[in-house]
Amino acid sequence: EPEVTQTPSHQVTQMGQEVILRCVPISNHLYFYWYRQILGQKVEFLVSFYNNEISEKSEIFDDQFSVERPDGSNFTLKIRSTKLEDSAMYFCASNPQLPSNQPQHFGDGTRLSIL
Amino acid sequence: KNEVEQSPQNLTAQEGEFITINCSYSVGISALHWLQQHPGGGIVSLFMLSSGKKKHGRLIATINIQEKHSSLHITASHPRDSAVYICAVVETSGSRLTFGEGTQLTVNP
Repeated sequence: EPEVTQTPSHQVTQMGQEVILRCVPISNHLYFYWYRQILGQKVEFLVSFYNNEISEKSEIFDDQFSVERPDGSNFTLKIRSTKLEDSAMYFCASNPQLPSNQPQHFGDGTRLSIL
Repeated sequence: KNEVEQSPQNLTAQEGEFITINCSYSVGISALHWLQQHPGGGIVSLFMLSSGKKKHGRLIATINIQEKHSSLHITASHPRDSAVYICAVVETSGSRLTFGEGTQLTVNP
């Protein structure tokens, strides 16, 4: 069965550095998402992406964050000038249709540790 | 803002017991998802509901749109069912998922 793949599985970065988290969604999917889960807390929506543009973003997704689908297969989340509080598990997800019509397919996550 | 509440937060059961996890939400939704998160962190979709009831193996999910409530049932629970079960909703106004805090289920042999 096709899977959403995320790399790396664990990223350790110094505070203030830029980090790029990578995702390869399932190939025929059209809707792409990033979520964050701080240790011990609930999963939070960051951003959704459709038709090569952001369709919705949360209040967490400020100017520090950006997303890109550079080559039609990868979907990346960039965090500029990382802060300690950016330490979390970041999940990518994709859907063939809106999540009101189809289950979401999640990647295994990237654990980001900011030192 | 939609609030998604789950109960209980933690649940310990003996193998074979019938399990119920509840989810309530505060605003109108277009769909509700039940998800499973294993200790390694990966999230798997179990069900997507917009009305009624769905069954998959030993898992049953129900939703009552008028009461803004959903339940996830596990029949004949097994230690391999031990995981965090998460309820998430899609509001009628958007496409984002809003998540509950999760229910940590431990099934002892």
